[in-house]
Amino acid sequence: AQSVTQLGSHVSVSEGALVLLRCNYSSSVPPYLFWYVQYPNQGLQLLLKYTSAATLVKGINGFEAEFKKSETSFHLTKPSAHMSDAAEYFCAVRQGSGGYNKLIFGAGTRLAVHP
Amino acid sequence: NAGVTQTPKFRILKIGQSMTLQCAQDMNHNYMYWYRQDPGMGLKLIYYSVGAGITDKGEVPNGYNVSRSTTEDFPLRLELAAPSQTSVYFCASSYYPHTADYEQYFGPGTRLTVT
Repeated sequence: AQSVTQLGSHVSVSEGALVLLRCNYSSSVPPYLFWYVQYPNQGLQLLLKYTSAATLVKGINGFEAEFKKSETSFHLTKPSAHMSDAAEYFCAVRQGSGGYNKLIFGAGTRLAVHP
Repeated sequence: NAGVTQTPKFRILKIGQSMTLQCAQDMNHNYMYWYRQDPGMGLKLIYYSVGAGITDKGEVPNGYNVSRSTTEDFPLRLELAAPSQTSVYFCASSYYPHTADYEQYFGPGTRLTVT
């Protein structure tokens, strides 16, 4: 069965600092992995996705993530944090194969950016 | 396209009352989903549908019912509201099978309080 673990429920960085949000997955099949962002009082928006093409995936707003099979990780990074990046971030893995297309979400990491 | 829309945005229910959360999408997606989001718990799948007339249970279906009479609409019914159903509810949709895109598109959410 697939599962996702996000290390750190809260991360705080200074504006301009590196953002690193950690995600480890467990999957019995080649995984499809996603990062979603949720701004306050809004729905989830896709940041980026890994679907077995390039291992370094670039997303919106300057975010990127690297798929590392040996470490079963898909950490999200951004070189320089901006105040507008403050949000909750969710890592997700597609459940299984076949015609279900269900996502399993991690518990989320709330990112705070301070001046 | 409006994408995925949800109504209402907010609702307060008394214990034992019933209500229907509405969800509609205009992207001709065949798959639709209902999630609930509790603080620190990520998103949990309540029900999903792979097409009109076909629904199935997710992780946490107890206390809820769904129907899918059209491709566009996927309402979620709470028959006897309980305090444990206080949560934020998200509807999502996706197009499957699309070999390059397993992304789910989310609505803005409904914040429900049961007192």
